[in-house]
Amino acid sequence: DVKVTQSSRYLVKRTGEKVFLECVQDMDHENMFWYRQDPGLGLRLIYFSYDVKMKEKGDIPEGYSVSREKKERFSLILESASTNQTSMYLCASSLAGRSGIGNEKLFFGSGTQLSVL
Amino acid sequence: GDSVTQMEGPVTLSEEAFLTINCTYTATGYPSLFWYVQYPGEGLQLLLKATKADDKGSNKGFEATYRKETTSFHLEKGSVQVSDSAVYFCALNTDKLIFGTGTRLQVFP
Repeated sequence: DVKVTQSSRYLVKRTGEKVFLECVQDMDHENMFWYRQDPGLGLRLIYFSYDVKMKEKGDIPEGYSVSREKKERFSLILESASTNQTSMYLCASSLAGRSGIGNEKLFFGSGTQLSVL
Repeated sequence: GDSVTQMEGPVTLSEEAFLTINCTYTATGYPSLFWYVQYPGEGLQLLLKATKADDKGSNKGFEATYRKETTSFHLEKGSVQVSDSAVYFCALNTDKLIFGTGTRLQVFP
């Protein structure tokens, strides 16, 4: 089975800190995604990547950046954390390449609950 | 733009009751439709999907039929179990996956 691993289950940070959320997948998937999940808002796409060193903005990229230096690892970076970034962050991966992005089954990690105080 | 609308939760049922969770969509073109499930403390996992009109997706006793005429993809199960308690997300894809807001299902013995 595909395994998507997020480095932390719970994280507490202070306003203004730089925060790194790490995600690793073990099935050689090309596509990787970062979502945030908030009550009443569902999942919203922050950034995604369809290849190493490639990245594209999702629906809510403001205040975030990403890094994909290796195929298996996709990092989400909060340059200066703010309280409105308190949320559950979900990483996902899928097999399809650029032409099929969004068509394939997504595999999700179990999430990182980030609290910014 | 493309969007998915789900019924508000929580849905509270007794074990063995019939379940329907409504989902309607707005999309240009011909999207694929999905139901994902999130069990407590876990990430989302694909429950079922349908890729064209009149297709029926099914898995673990759950079913959903892609209805183009009503732009709907309602999730049904004939007899729910306590272990089905989770949050259910309807989703569509055109060039990216768009999720609904999720519906929490609580099943009591």
